[in-house]
Amino acid sequence: EAGVAQSPRYKIIEKRQSVAFWCNPISGHATLYWYQQILGQGPKLLIQFQNNGVVDDSQLPKDRFSAERLKGVDSTLKIQPAKLEDSAVYLCASSHRPPGLAGAPAYEQYFGPGTRLTVT
Amino acid sequence: AQTVTQSQPEMSVQEAETVTLSCTYDTSESDYYLFWYKQPPSRQMILVIRQEAYKQQNATENRFSVNFQKAAKSFSLKISDSQLGDAAMYFCAYRSAEWEGGGADGLTFGKGTHLIIQP
Repeated sequence: EAGVAQSPRYKIIEKRQSVAFWCNPISGHATLYWYQQILGQGPKLLIQFQNNGVVDDSQLPKDRFSAERLKGVDSTLKIQPAKLEDSAVYLCASSHRPPGLAGAPAYEQYFGPGTRLTVT
Repeated sequence: AQTVTQSQPEMSVQEAETVTLSCTYDTSESDYYLFWYKQPPSRQMILVIRQEAYKQQNATENRFSVNFQKAAKSFSLKISDSQLGDAAMYFCAYRSAEWEGGGADGLTFGKGTHLIIQP
C-alpha cells in the first residue's frame, strides 16, 4: 500500500513570495490533515478535511494560509505572502476514520515525509 | 483545550539498556487516546504505540510499553533493550475520542524528547 505522498520535499523562498504544497493521501482515506512543525516543536494542526469539507481550521492563519481538497482526494496548502516565521516542516496526514460514529475506534493517522520550507 | 507536556528535551541511554520518556497531559475529557510517535531525521512520523483511555491495561508493542496513569494524567514510554535504530525524536500526542459525525480529531503534540543511543 502506497503511503502519503507530499511534494516538494524542500522549498526555499523569500519573504512576501507565495508557495504551495501538495499532498496525496492513502487511497480510500477520507480524512486529511495538514500540520505545521516549527523547529524544536511538535506538529500543530492547521486544518482537517473530511472528504472535501473542512472539519477544523481554527489554527489556520487565514489571512495568509489557504487550503483546498477538491474532489476529496489530493490537497494543496498555500501561503501568500510568506513570512519568516512560516519556516517549518509542513506535514500531511490521512486516516480512514469512519464517519458518523460516536466514540472513535482505534484508527491511525498516517503521515507523509513532509515539506521543509525555508523563508529568507 | 488539551495540552501535552514533555519535560525532557533530551535523553541518553546505553545500547541494550532501558529508558523511560515522560509525558503529562491536561484535559477535561474522559474519553481520549494517547500516542507515542517516533520521528527520525527523515521526518517521517511513525506510530510507536497507542493507549485508549478507557482501558486500564497498559499497552505494549514488543520492546515498547507505556505506563498510563489516568488520574495523574501521565503517560510514559519505556523502551527496553535500546537499539541504535531507536535514536530519534519521540513525541507524545493526544486525540479526543469525544466526537460524533464530522468532529475534529487532530492530534495535539508535545514538544518532543530527543533520544540518543550510546553504542
